[in-house]
Amino acid sequence: EAGVAQSPRYKIIEKRQSVAFWCNPISGHATLYWYQQILGQGPKLLIQFQNNGVVDDSQLPKDRFSAERLKGVDSTLKIQPAKLEDSAVYLCASSGLVGVNEQFFGPGTRLTVL
Amino acid sequence: AQSVTQLDSQVPVFEEAPVELRCNYSSSVSVYLFWYVQYPNQGLQLLLKYLSGSTLVKGINGFEAEFNKSQTSFHLRKPSVHISDTAEYFCAVSDPYSGGYQKVTFGTGTKLQVIP
Repeated sequence: EAGVAQSPRYKIIEKRQSVAFWCNPISGHATLYWYQQILGQGPKLLIQFQNNGVVDDSQLPKDRFSAERLKGVDSTLKIQPAKLEDSAVYLCASSGLVGVNEQFFGPGTRLTVL
Repeated sequence: AQSVTQLDSQVPVFEEAPVELRCNYSSSVSVYLFWYVQYPNQGLQLLLKYLSGSTLVKGINGFEAEFNKSQTSFHLRKPSVHISDTAEYFCAVSDPYSGGYQKVTFGTGTKLQVIP
């Protein structure tokens, strides 16, 4: 089966600019996650979708970050405006069932904010 | 709240030597535990998971981990490492009672460097 797809793989922007990332989960997976991985740290959950509804966005900086998952399939994560501290790898993951299940990760998007 | 501690940020080991990567967790309830591996410029891949039952869990690529409830640990081991095991390893914990959905907390990672 095809894995989790993410684009772009790399993005360089200047602070105060906007940026958007796209994720297409594994077909049929109901749960989609966006993580932020800062260099030297573990992934931090930003937002979790169950189908097209949000189940956890407690760590999403809502003043500048937004995410949507229209039609319960692919998803976009947006940052507007970007700050220097947003430089990180943004990982998308999906899983197939509610409850405990393996998460399948995409390759990530490496964002550099100058 | 749940948390994960990986005390070793880097572990160098010679090829064919055994290795243990340490993981301790903190949670007020029963937990599910995971080890993921991340190769350079790639996403994370599940190595193994503990949900219940036998405390010794075997995973892919010859790795295994042992759940120790009294010591709140879930250390990862491999008896003989290969160059290809060079990667970053993340321990993670999930609360099975988190409102019906899986919320996973990751540790800060341990970089395993296998020396030829």
